[in-house]
This record gives sequence, structure tokens and C-alpha cells, in this order.
Amino acid sequence: KAGVTQTPRYLIKTRGQQVTLSCSPISGHRSVSWYQQTPGQGLQFLFEYFSETQRNKGNFPGRFSGRQFSNSRSEMNVSTLELGDSALYLCASSLGTVDTQYFGPGTRLTVL
Amino acid sequence: KQEVTQIPAALSVPEGENLVLNCSFTDSAIYNLQWFRQDPGKGLTSLLLIQSSQREQTSGRLNASLDKSSGRSTLYIAASQPGDSATYLCAVRRARANTGANSKLTFGKGITLSVRP
Repeated sequence: KAGVTQTPRYLIKTRGQQVTLSCSPISGHRSVSWYQQTPGQGLQFLFEYFSETQRNKGNFPGRFSGRQFSNSRSEMNVSTLELGDSALYLCASSLGTVDTQYFGPGTRLTVL
Repeated sequence: KQEVTQIPAALSVPEGENLVLNCSFTDSAIYNLQWFRQDPGKGLTSLLLIQSSQREQTSGRLNASLDKSSGRSTLYIAASQPGDSATYLCAVRRARANTGANSKLTFGKGITLSVRP
């Protein structure tokens, strides 16, 4: 069974631009969560989707948004990029919202 | 607000040693706790998940225990090997309310383990 895939793996953007990251969950998984990982703050929860509905949201500004499609694939968008948005963005999928989470390899975003 | 602490931040041991990694959390009203491993620049690999009703889970050389009342979990690694070198993170999911709110995972900052040959 294929694991969680994330595209692209690496991104370099400049301040003020926007970016869209994509996540394809394990087949059959309906829950997708997104996390931001930085050396200083560690892993921080962004949001969680289940059956196309946002079930939970972390403490991030409105510049961070996401959505989930009917095939459970998910995208997250960051608008008006800031230097502090440079991080590893991780996506995780699970069967339901409280089951074991399986992580993708992440997207490394660098904002210049 | 749930806080998860992992101390120390880094640990170095010789190969073959049995070791224990600690995780503490402030809110004992948890649904489950999960241990992950992360290799440099990579995503997380799930190691063990313990439900709130369980005391421990085992997988190969790994054993995780949970003491909800004291807000602690430990990951025991037997006969450590250089391939065990990685960062180990624990994550806690709060008990789910009827609406399903507040069920997000809260992570510790991890313990970076180095196993010397």
C-alpha cells in the first residue's frame, strides 16, 4: 500500500508570494492533518480535515488555509508569505480522526 | 492547554545499552498517546500508539508504557543499535468531546538519540 505523498518536496519562494502544497493520503484514509515543523517551535498543528470538512484548527493566522477534496486529497495554501513561514510542512493521514497517523515526507518551504 | 515535555533534548549511548525515553503531559484527560521516530529531514514514522485504557504496547525491541494519572509515558528501547539514532517524539491526543473538537495531537519537541558503535 502506498504511503502518504506530498508535493512538491522542496519550494523556494519570496516574501509576499503565495504557495500551495499538496498531500495525497493513504488509500482509504479519510482524515488528513497538517503540521508545521521548525527548529524553534517543533511540530505545531495547523488543521485537520475529515470527509472534506475542517474538524480542527490550530493557532495560525488566516493566511494559512486548507481544503480537502472528495477523494481525500488535501491542499494547504499560505498567502503573503513571511520569512518566518520557512519550515517543513508535514501532512498525516489516518482512517479516522483519532487513529494512528501516518506521515508523509514533508515539503521543505524556504521563504527568501 | 495541553503541554508535552520531553527531557533531555538529546541523549548519547553506546551500542547495546537498554534505554528509556521519557514523555510528560499536563492534562491527564487524554484519548491516546503516540510515539514517533523522525530521521533528519524526513517525515515521522509511527512506532506505537497507546489508547488511554491501556498500560503498555510492545513492538519488537520497543515497549511504551502509559501512566495517565501521573501524566507520563516512557519508551523503552532494548539492546540499542546505531540504526536507532533518530529523534523520538511523543504526541498526545486529548479526550474527544462529543462534538469532536479539541482532538488534535499535541507534540513534544523530541529527544535526539545517538547510539555510538
